[in-house]
Amino acid sequence: EDQVTQSPEALRLQEGESSSLNCSYTVSGLRGLFWYRQDPGKGPEFLFTLYSAGEEKEKERLKATLTKKESFLHITAPKPEDSATYLCAVRSGGSNYKLTFGKGTLLTVNP
Amino acid sequence: ETGVTQSPTHLIKTRGQQVTLRCSSQSGHNTVSWYQQALGQGPQFIFQYYREEENGRGNFPPRFSGLQFPNYSSELNVNALELDDSALYLCASTTADTSQETQYFGPGTRLLVL
Repeated sequence: EDQVTQSPEALRLQEGESSSLNCSYTVSGLRGLFWYRQDPGKGPEFLFTLYSAGEEKEKERLKATLTKKESFLHITAPKPEDSATYLCAVRSGGSNYKLTFGKGTLLTVNP
Repeated sequence: ETGVTQSPTHLIKTRGQQVTLRCSSQSGHNTVSWYQQALGQGPQFIFQYYREEENGRGNFPPRFSGLQFPNYSSELNVNALELDDSALYLCASTTADTSQETQYFGPGTRLLVL
């Protein structure tokens, strides 16, 4: 059974203070690792998909990296508008597109 | 803007009742998945439909059922509601026409069971 563990559960940063969120996973045949951002009461917003170890993707202040056992979401010089819950999910081999999610990391960036 | 819409946005029901939630996907997205997200948790996979047939199911009882229609809309039906069914219900759509698929989520329906 696929498993995803995210840490920390919550992270409070000052504006401009860079940090990283961790996503550890166990999966039989990784077909993709996904990062989403979720604001309170809203649906998850797609950020990145990573497919193989060593892959990196960037978008504004965010950079996602992938190894064979974990992924990191690096946040450089965050702003208050980056405050949200960040969700990590994996898709394993099979005919459907089931995503297994972690519980998320609640990020708060103070001005 | 994902192009995925859900209705209603909020719903209050009582235990034992039945509920139908609706989702409209992007044109061309022939795969739709439904997820349940309890407060403080990540979304949990309920089931998925591809070309109007169920194509995978998570650990949810048969009282959770669904339909997908040719016009890229779908429904989630829950019978005999229980208090623990209170959650945010999300639908996500994707196209199966690429090897680098991404699931795009709707805004969700918040269901409260009293």
